[in-house]
Amino acid sequence: EAQVTQNPRYLITVTGKKLTVTCSQNMNHEYMSWYRQDPGLGLRQIYYSMNVEVTDKGDVPEGYKVSRKEKRNFPLILESPSPNQTSLYFCASRPSLDAYGYTFGSGTRLTVV
Amino acid sequence: GIQVEQSPPDLILQEGANSTLRCNFSDSVNNLQWFHQNPWGQLINLFYIPSGTKQNGRLSATTVATERYSLLYISSSQTTDSGVYFCAVARSSNTGKLIFGQGTTLQVKP
Repeated sequence: EAQVTQNPRYLITVTGKKLTVTCSQNMNHEYMSWYRQDPGLGLRQIYYSMNVEVTDKGDVPEGYKVSRKEKRNFPLILESPSPNQTSLYFCASRPSLDAYGYTFGSGTRLTVV
Repeated sequence: GIQVEQSPPDLILQEGANSTLRCNFSDSVNNLQWFHQNPWGQLINLFYIPSGTKQNGRLSATTVATERYSLLYISSSQTTDSGVYFCAVARSSNTGKLIFGQGTTLQVKP
């Protein structure tokens, strides 16, 4: 089944403890992106990647890092999480920048205490 | 930047009723999608519809790109249709960013 897989689905962590949210797609998509969803603010793009080794900042990149060493994987790294990064996170992929629609992962609900 | 407005913001229906959700956008786009966010938070892709009309079971969608709006029709609604419906658009750009509307919250009562 074609899908975007995120892990974990739920995570509670403490301030400052580094964590990684994994994202993997099995559709050979070139384009991948991370979004966060917050009440009243909607969904906002954090980072995106056009292809392997090509990443760039979205609208809210502060406090996050990403890497794209393989086409299928696009992990989101929080080096020193803070409570304002408590959010619902989504990974999404698309065949290429301007082709067809996006497929979203199931989301990761992160709480930083 | 491009603005996306959805209406109505909230909708309560009795099971079996039909509804129409609207999405207006302020500029030309090359991607328009409708999503359903279920009570567990998952974003389910309903339609990729930058123009034209598509149907999938009880759901159908129409986008009139020249007039910058899209409509999502839900017929014979069921309680499982409850949740938030988002319209999201993207312009041809070098970021691929999707711009989401604020959503329509639908509650279907048995």
